[in-house]
Amino acid sequence: SAVISQKPSRDICQRGTSLTIQCQVDSQVTMMFWYRQQPGQSLTLIATANQGSEATYESGFVIDKFPISRPNLTFSTLTVSNMSPEDSSIYLCSVEEGYGYTFGSGTRLTVV
Amino acid sequence: AQTVTQSQPEMSVQEAETVTLSCTYDTSENNYYLFWYKQPPSRQMILVIRQEAYKQQNATENRFSVNFQKAAKSFSLKISDSQLGDTAMYFCAFMSSNAGNMLTFGGGTRLMVKP
Repeated sequence: SAVISQKPSRDICQRGTSLTIQCQVDSQVTMMFWYRQQPGQSLTLIATANQGSEATYESGFVIDKFPISRPNLTFSTLTVSNMSPEDSSIYLCSVEEGYGYTFGSGTRLTVV
Repeated sequence: AQTVTQSQPEMSVQEAETVTLSCTYDTSENNYYLFWYKQPPSRQMILVIRQEAYKQQNATENRFSVNFQKAAKSFSLKISDSQLGDTAMYFCAFMSSNAGNMLTFGGGTRLMVKP
């Protein structure tokens, strides 16, 4: 199965700043997904990122707040912009494989 | 839109015993996939088992098995011979290629295995 390296694993950020999260996959994948997991909650899809096209955002998530890049088939970034304490969550990237989905190890973001 | 419901926020089981986690879903699709994921405190999401909707036979992976009832839209996970390492959050998830190939997750069940 694919191996995903997600960075940073955790960060504490000041409100009003931005953080960029990176996911590097050891194989080429068509679709990459970004999820948010708020404290004690389940995973919610933020957007789907395909190489060569703009990301598709789910209801409640907008590009200005969560810009995504997908420059090639092995890499993607998610930026959390103009952060507020409500953005404190775990952010996970994921890729689809033939039998299921593989996830990165997550980024635990705390906004103070 | 698809929805996934896990009605048991928390469960506990004694080591070596069997526990069943419940999951129901709602969809108008006929072809889809169902998954159970485990998330230990490390927060890594680990695939436990998956089921294709077109298969009548219930999926099994070692100590983990499912009871898939398509008509009832039910997908429960049975863990046999529970081990301390099974302590984790368990998420049921749904995927349909007609819905963009993304996973829709249930709210999760926190399982505690007691020694």
